[in-house]
Amino acid sequence: ETGVTQTPRHLVMGMTNKKSLKCEQHLGHNAMYWYKQSAKKPLELMFVYSLEERVENNSVPSRFSPECPNSSHLFLHLHTLQPEDSALYLCASSQPGGAGDTEAFFGQGTRLTVV
Amino acid sequence: TQLLEQSPQFLSIQEGENLTVYCNSSSVFSSLQWYRQEPGEGPVLLVTVVTGGEVKKLKRLTFQFGDARKDSSLHITAAQPGDTGLYLCAGYNNDMRFGAGTRLTVKP
Repeated sequence: ETGVTQTPRHLVMGMTNKKSLKCEQHLGHNAMYWYKQSAKKPLELMFVYSLEERVENNSVPSRFSPECPNSSHLFLHLHTLQPEDSALYLCASSQPGGAGDTEAFFGQGTRLTVV
Repeated sequence: TQLLEQSPQFLSIQEGENLTVYCNSSSVFSSLQWYRQEPGEGPVLLVTVVTGGEVKKLKRLTFQFGDARKDSSLHITAAQPGDTGLYLCAGYNNDMRFGAGTRLTVKP
């Protein structure tokens, strides 16, 4: 248990569906992240939120829409996805500070399959 | 764009063997971290190295940060089946960038 909880753990959706992934942390961290993990590829940073404001969007397609209503919750809204979007989506949080102190705490991920 | 390359991509060894995996980049990082990810779980931090040339030991695991802070290695002594997993390195400057990982299998 890392203190970061993601739901659902597994999701199968059609290309015309709309769904949302949820991430929750009660570690008191100020930064939250969405990563995409595909087979044989590096973890891809998708979005970064710091103090509930989006500070980075790594050219992610608009069919992925993040939302951070407060420092404890992060959502990823999905619509009209493609099969190549199937992957493990990981949420992480951290408390930015000195470089040696920055540890990312990850959730267990949502395994997304787009059919 | 910071790019971390990890090698080997896959490694399968017998219990009791030693191994080293590598993380290389052309970029300098203020710190570098190693994570282990087990199936169905998110990555979990093993160690953070900050100083060039730094060596850290965690039981049978030895981590080294290159002098120029561009690369790192992870050495495991007398590997055990419980060491099986995906080992990820992550370089940190303003945010964390991950390598693709080394998938280690230790056979009993």
